Amino acid sequence: GQQLNQSPQSMFIQEGEDVSMNCTSSSIFNTWLWYKQDPGEGPVLLIALYKAGELTSNGRLTAQFGITRKDSFLNISASIPSDVGIYFCAGRSNYGQNFVFGPGTRLSVLP
Amino acid sequence: GAVVSQHPSRVICKSGTSVKIECRSLDFQATTMFWYRQFPKQSLMLMATSNEGSKATYEQGVEKDKFLINHASLTLSTLTVTSAHPEDSSFYICSAFGGDFYGYTFGSGTRLTVV
Repeated sequence: GQQLNQSPQSMFIQEGEDVSMNCTSSSIFNTWLWYKQDPGEGPVLLIALYKAGELTSNGRLTAQFGITRKDSFLNISASIPSDVGIYFCAGRSNYGQNFVFGPGTRLSVLP
Repeated sequence: GAVVSQHPSRVICKSGTSVKIECRSLDFQATTMFWYRQFPKQSLMLMATSNEGSKATYEQGVEKDKFLINHASLTLSTLTVTSAHPEDSSFYICSAFGGDFYGYTFGSGTRLTVV
């Protein structure tokens, strides 16, 4: 079945640094979603991407739908302590299909 | 925006008892809801897909008699953990598909502790 990989698995950064993470698929996707999960909470949608090459921002977050349609990237600029959490990507191949989730990238921000 | 309410947020129960978790879509109708289980520091594990008015579809390895799912209306799905044991202790999260614009909207999760 479809699988998503996320890299890195975890990362520790200093407050103020920029963050980059990615999500790769073994098959072509037509929709990518990025979620953030705070400790003890359910995931919250950050950004949705619907077209190859699309670049979408949400505050300090920017996500891109890869040209190959097999990957997506999430960047966080000028990280702050509240950026701590797990970032999940999710994607699907066709409309009407269920989304599959990646294993997540755990972000820790050091003061 | 799409909002999903999940109750209770935390529950402690004795081994052998049953626990019901509710998932409600507050401002949209959801023909399909999803139930996930998450172990500490791990990703979301899909347990089952809950379909309004029909039987749930369970993922491989998930006992349907253990985890009873009912989706009686377009805004409510329930997960009942029957005869709970300590190994059922986990974080359970529901989600509903709010259309292509909202994607999946998740509930806030339920932390189940079986003692």
